[in-house]
Amino acid sequence: EDQVTQSPEALRLQEGESSSLNCSYTVSGLRGLFWYRQDPGKGPEFLFTLYSAGEEKEKERLKATLTKKESFLHITAPKPEDSATYLCAVQAKGTNAGKSTFGDGTTLTVKP
Amino acid sequence: NAGVTQTPKFRILKIGQSMTLQCTQDMNHNYMYWYRQDPGMGLKLIYYSVGAGITDKGEVPNGYNVSRSTTEDFPLRLELAAPSQTSVYFCASRGLAGGREQFFGPGTRLTVL
Repeated sequence: EDQVTQSPEALRLQEGESSSLNCSYTVSGLRGLFWYRQDPGKGPEFLFTLYSAGEEKEKERLKATLTKKESFLHITAPKPEDSATYLCAVQAKGTNAGKSTFGDGTTLTVKP
Repeated sequence: NAGVTQTPKFRILKIGQSMTLQCTQDMNHNYMYWYRQDPGMGLKLIYYSVGAGITDKGEVPNGYNVSRSTTEDFPLRLELAAPSQTSVYFCASRGLAGGREQFFGPGTRLTVL
């Protein structure tokens, strides 16, 4: 069974204080690992897809990296508008209909 | 494109009542999904569909039913609502082409009292 564990559950940062969110996963064969951002009261919004170990993707202050067992979402010099819950999901090879398994998320709060 | 739309945004049901949550996507996506999200938790898959006329159960299907008569619409039916079904429900879709990410609707917040 595919499993995704995210840590920490919650993270509070001062504006400008860089940090990382962790996503550990267990999957029989990885087809893709996804990061989503979810604002309160809204649906998740896609950020990145990573397909193989060593791959990195960047978008503004966010950088996602992937190893064979985990992914990190690095946040450089965060701003208050980066406050949100970040969800990690994996899709296994051979999965029917592109189903993904989601972690419980990390809620990030950035104080000005 | 409106993307994925869901109605209603909020609903309060009494125990034993029934209702249908509506989901429509205008991206011509083959795959559609229904999730529930309980407070502080991730998304649990209820049902999914690979195309019109084809649906299948996810992790937590009990108490729910779905249909997919068109590519665009994927309604979720709750029969005999129970307090355990109090949650936020998200519909999502994914295309065959391009990336494998899912596109989500804004959600329906359901309370069963």
